[in-house]
Amino acid sequence: EVQLVESGGGLVQPGGSLRLSCVASGFTFGNYWVNWVRQAPGRGLEWVAEIGPDGGTKNYVDSIKGRFTISRDNAKQSVFLVMTSLRDDDTAVYYCATLHRNINWAHWGQGTLVTVSS
Amino acid sequence: DVVMTQSPLSLPVTLGQPASISCRSSQSLVHSGGNTYLNWFLQRPGQSPRRLIYQVSNWDSGVPDRFSGSGSGTDFTLKISRVEAEDVGVYYCLQHTHWPYTFGQGTKLEI
Repeated sequence: EVQLVESGGGLVQPGGSLRLSCVASGFTFGNYWVNWVRQAPGRGLEWVAEIGPDGGTKNYVDSIKGRFTISRDNAKQSVFLVMTSLRDDDTAVYYCATLHRNINWAHWGQGTLVTVSS
Repeated sequence: DVVMTQSPLSLPVTLGQPASISCRSSQSLVHSGGNTYLNWFLQRPGQSPRRLIYQVSNWDSGVPDRFSGSGSGTDFTLKISRVEAEDVGVYYCLQHTHWPYTFGQGTKLEI
């Protein structure tokens, strides 16, 4: 069974940092792109970052560019999102997902809540 | 960025009746390789999103065939032939063609 389990969320002050982790199981992790998608409370979905299978390609939405870094460790079947200079509007549930646009392959984690507040 | 506009934003339906959601993009979603990467997701209350449809009209695993996707270019539609109670939630379209990938605002389907 494919599983994605996020961790690392919590309460942080504005300007602070957090490191989110996503551990995958049940599939050949190193073959797939992995993404972070966030959802602010009561709001819609925002795709924030993606990383290619070998970690060589990374893309970020403008609102997090320069503040967030996505990385992966295929040996540990894990993806990470290091978030720095956090702002109030970064408050959201952060989902780890692997979505292939050409085949029947789409899996999401349960999400981890990040709250940025003083 | 590509703007995805869904309508309606709220969709009251009767069990057993059909439902339809529109999604329009601010530019063509045809990729240079020829495919059109338009997806549909359902987020049930308190759950993670689940993809229903990819590449406009292809079902993901386990998706009932009462769901169908259609459209081309900039104009897309998700149809439910007969709404069931488990279909309640928020539906999102996603364009997976142009970075940054962008979602529609969501359509809340309620019985």
